[in-house]
Amino acid sequence: AQRVTQPEKLLSVFKGAPVELKCNYSYSGSPELFWYVQYSRQRLQLLLRHISRESIKGFTADLNKGETSFHLKKPFAQEEDSAMYYCALDRRDMRFGAGTRLTVKP
Amino acid sequence: GAVVSQHPSRVICKSGTSVKIECRSLDFQATTMFWYRQFPKQSLMLMATSNEGSKATYEQGVEKDKFLINHASLTLSTLTVTSAHPEDSSFYICSAKQGSKIAGELFFGEGSRLTVL
Repeated sequence: AQRVTQPEKLLSVFKGAPVELKCNYSYSGSPELFWYVQYSRQRLQLLLRHISRESIKGFTADLNKGETSFHLKKPFAQEEDSAMYYCALDRRDMRFGAGTRLTVKP
Repeated sequence: GAVVSQHPSRVICKSGTSVKIECRSLDFQATTMFWYRQFPKQSLMLMATSNEGSKATYEQGVEKDKFLINHASLTLSTLTVTSAHPEDSSFYICSAKQGSKIAGELFFGEGSRLTVL
């Protein structure tokens, strides 16, 4: 069975501080992992996916197979980053973690 | 990017009635669509996978006779909540993958808030 764990429901940082949203997964095969974001009053949208190895809006996430983790990081948080972030694992269907609500304070 | 549209965005109904929610992929074909349910301040719970031209695959604990899913075309899936009760009140979200990719990005609808009185 595939499972995604986001241990932090809430995360609050000050503007300009680094931020890391944790995600751990359990899956026996080769995982395809994503981070989705939901800004206030908007639909879920893709933030980034591990196979792209890209940086979106300053966020990066590295797949660590040894630690079965896919943590999302940003060196300098901005107020507009405040949102709900979901880590997701996909094979034939997408399974979401519980989500972390990030608040960036001015 | 690809667009998924849900309708209605809000619906209020009386207990015992049925409600249909539509999910459309506007600019791409989706052989597979997914229906999620989201409770307040909680994550998305996968209810079922809707496959074009075949029966939906329901997750454990989801009543297939209560949540009827039809995926009659490559751009439309519908979720019908039959004999709705107050405990069915929730936010229902559909999503779709472009084409027939096994794994890949999901495009989400805006969600439908169902309130059963």
